Amino acid sequence: QSVLTQPPSVSAAPGQRVTISCSGTSFNIGDNYVSWYQHLPGTAPKLLIYDNDKRPSGIPDRFSGSKAGTSATLGITGLQTGDEADYYCGTWDSSLNAVVFGGGTKLTVL
Amino acid sequence: EVQLVESGGGLAKPGRSLRLSCTGSGFSFGDYGVSWFRQAPGKGLEWLGFIRNKVYGGTTEYAASVKGRFTISRDDSKSIASLQLNTLEAEDTAVYFCSRHISGWYYFDYWGQGTLVTVSS
Repeated sequence: QSVLTQPPSVSAAPGQRVTISCSGTSFNIGDNYVSWYQHLPGTAPKLLIYDNDKRPSGIPDRFSGSKAGTSATLGITGLQTGDEADYYCGTWDSSLNAVVFGGGTKLTVL
Repeated sequence: EVQLVESGGGLAKPGRSLRLSCTGSGFSFGDYGVSWFRQAPGKGLEWLGFIRNKVYGGTTEYAASVKGRFTISRDDSKSIASLQLNTLEAEDTAVYFCSRHISGWYYFDYWGQGTLVTVSS
């Protein structure tokens, strides 16, 4: 059971927009920055979003992040088949003194 | 180019130990914290622990699930961080990843490709 809660799967058609939610508590998301990662099996996870809404260089602006209270959201617009992957949110938990991640969301581009 | 490469994975028997290494290149290794994660078959990413850089005391934090059984260390002169896995259990079978982060900030901007650890008799 992950500390952060994500939907197990989401799907949308190419070109469409999808959002992935990440729910936590006042000790983690409510008190700390959130980051998002893309992971394709057999590869290194990739940082997509940090500090709630910042994109590292090289990450297209199709990817966006936001946070409100104890929840965060990853948005992906202009979906491409290459976006099919598992997506994870993560943050620090001030009560557990630990990094916590969501269970991951599998994105299918239909 | 920033690179992190894990090594040391393989087959180990239950109850035995294994030591994984994470070698960094293309950046000033000692300036960063290093985290270890794993992904068990069919499961998500699980944070195991990290070691801060020397400026932050080189101290460690661990997930409750592995505290006391796993140990992280670093040798900045060799740009290597290590994960010592003791008293291995079948449930430790996973791909193990290392990543770097700026100490005091909890996002991981570069990751290695992972090394597979299989625990089986």
